[in-house]
Amino acid sequence: DAKTTQPPSMDCAEGRAANLPCNHSTISGNEYVYWYRQIHSQGPQYIIHGLKNNETNEMASLIITEDRKSSTLILPHATLRDTAVYYCIVRVAGAGNNRKLIWGLGTSLAVNP
Amino acid sequence: DAGVIQSPRHEVTEMGQEVTLRCKPISGHNSLFWYRQTMMRGLELLIYFNNNVPIDDSGMPEDRFSAKMPNASFSTLKIQPSEPRDSAVYFCASSQGESSPLHFGNGTRLTVT
Repeated sequence: DAKTTQPPSMDCAEGRAANLPCNHSTISGNEYVYWYRQIHSQGPQYIIHGLKNNETNEMASLIITEDRKSSTLILPHATLRDTAVYYCIVRVAGAGNNRKLIWGLGTSLAVNP
Repeated sequence: DAGVIQSPRHEVTEMGQEVTLRCKPISGHNSLFWYRQTMMRGLELLIYFNNNVPIDDSGMPEDRFSAKMPNASFSTLKIQPSEPRDSAVYFCASSQGESSPLHFGNGTRLTVT
């Protein structure tokens, strides 16, 4: 399974957009990009996932480059409650592959007042 | 939806004692995962159940660790005997099917002295 590269930490001002990058240059055609986040003292929380097209939900937007070698998670109006570690993971499509997630160290996002 | 429920939230025990961690997955979810998280190694998958059957236990560190899922609404992770190096946060996660996003509990912080 492909691995991902993320910056270890980022800062963002409250109310501004937070753009979290992720490189996955060895991603295969059947691998999805997933984003989770982990707020302090809590379990990881699913945010969004995508294959080729950009995706948006109530939490965030996911922009995937045309060559699929990188992606960006966008939190449009960051709040203090968005301070967390954000994990970018690639996952092969198909049954049983949740067991093969490689979590890495993620990006620690600090949203500042 | 109460989410994945884990108990206890914190456990402090002495080396050599038996430890049992408990998990109630989200109703209707048929895949269950046990993870361990440490600063050094991040999130590691210990064992994965599908329809109450252990499918992959290759991540269980050694014979001191065992996991059961007697029914669809309950799972346990047991460590006997416990050692200081077992100190970590243990997470349980469930998913609806083997491909859907994971839903995590808030973990059990285990300290073995």
